[in-house]
Amino acid sequence: QSVLTQPPSVSAAPGQKVTISCSGSSSNIGNNYISWYQQFPGTAPKLLIYDNNKRPSGIPDRFSGSKSGTSATLGITGLQTGDEADYYCGTWDSSLSAWVFGGGTKLTVL
Amino acid sequence: QVTLKESGPALVNPTQTLTLTCTFSGFSLSTSSMRVSWIRQPPGKALEWLARIDWDDDKFYSTSLKTRLTISKDTSKNQVVLTMTNMDPVDTGTYYCARLIATGYMDVWGKGTTVTVSS
Repeated sequence: QSVLTQPPSVSAAPGQKVTISCSGSSSNIGNNYISWYQQFPGTAPKLLIYDNNKRPSGIPDRFSGSKSGTSATLGITGLQTGDEADYYCGTWDSSLSAWVFGGGTKLTVL
Repeated sequence: QVTLKESGPALVNPTQTLTLTCTFSGFSLSTSSMRVSWIRQPPGKALEWLARIDWDDDKFYSTSLKTRLTISKDTSKNQVVLTMTNMDPVDTGTYYCARLIATGYMDVWGKGTTVTVSS
């Protein structure tokens, strides 16, 4: 059972928009920055969004992040088949003094 | 360019101690706000954070695994070492190290090293 809650899977058609939610509490998302990671099968995770809504260099603006209270959302517009991957949210939990990840969301582009 | 690379045994016997080394370049762990974390991923499962070590030698551990984990650093060698005692088949998976930026994100990850626990 992960501290952060994500839907196990989401799907949408190419060109469409999808959102992935990440729900936590005041000890993690509520008081710390959230980051998002993209992972393709057999490869290491890659930073997608940091500090709630910032994109590292090289990440297209089709990817966006937002945070409200104790929840965060990853948005992907103009879906491409190459976006099919697992997506994880993560942040520091001040009560646990530990980093926490969501359980991951598998994105399928139909 | 920041890079990290994990190394260690591919196969470990149950009850043995696992020692993994993260060798990095492009930054120094003696620089303020620099941190390195270890994360693992069992086959087909989610990411699980294990431990973190900071530039000032502060250390943090997963609540569920803290009795089995020890993290240390050798700044002169640009290495972070993680030991996990009493290995069990459920500890099988890919182990990653990543640089953790102070505000709270892992910006660069190693490619991971696969560890199988079996007799």
